[in-house]
Amino acid sequence: GAVVSQHPSWVICKSGTSVKIECRSLDFQATTMFWYRQFPKQSLMLMATSNEGSKATYEQGVEKDKFLINHASLTLSTLTVTSAHPEDSSFYICSTPFGANYGYTFGSGTRLTVV
Amino acid sequence: GENVEQHPSTLSVQEGDSAVIKCTYSDSASNYFPWYKQELGKGPQLIIDIRSNVGEKKDQRIAVTLNKTAKHFSLHITETQPEDSAVYFCAASPGGFKTIFGAGTRLFVKA
Repeated sequence: GAVVSQHPSWVICKSGTSVKIECRSLDFQATTMFWYRQFPKQSLMLMATSNEGSKATYEQGVEKDKFLINHASLTLSTLTVTSAHPEDSSFYICSTPFGANYGYTFGSGTRLTVV
Repeated sequence: GENVEQHPSTLSVQEGDSAVIKCTYSDSASNYFPWYKQELGKGPQLIIDIRSNVGEKKDQRIAVTLNKTAKHFSLHITETQPEDSAVYFCAASPGGFKTIFGAGTRLFVKA
């Protein structure tokens, strides 16, 4: 089936630094990638939608300049958390629709801890 | 827009018993209803789905039912096993790529 490879699986960074998270679609083309944030014991919060070759669409309340999304190719979408702060610590997950019904295939998630 | 409510938020069952998770949706245009299982520290995985032209679908120990009139759908897990312990999310799609997720149900299966 469709597989999305997400890296890194976990990262610890210092406040003020930037972190890049990558999601690659393996053996298929992902024209759309959704980026979610998930706090402990909570549901998935959609942050933004990226489409290959165009600007990402951000959900209300999500800072575009802080969460930079790039979808430069049909197999790679990246999320960069810029000038990270401890409150950015969270679990970040990407997903892309696939198949005739547009069920989602998710990446394995990235646990970001900002110290 | 679409709104999906999911109950219960936590469910604890004895191994071998059945577990039922219920969801309601608001947008009558929604036509696709997937269920995802998320294990600790991992991304969600699609476990079963149903389209609006089908009332019930079964895959081994899991089944999903859909009542379009009442706008609710349910996940049924029979003969639960400890490895079924996870967070389960229902979702509804009003068409295209957009999918709205429920808040999740944390299922504990006690051995």
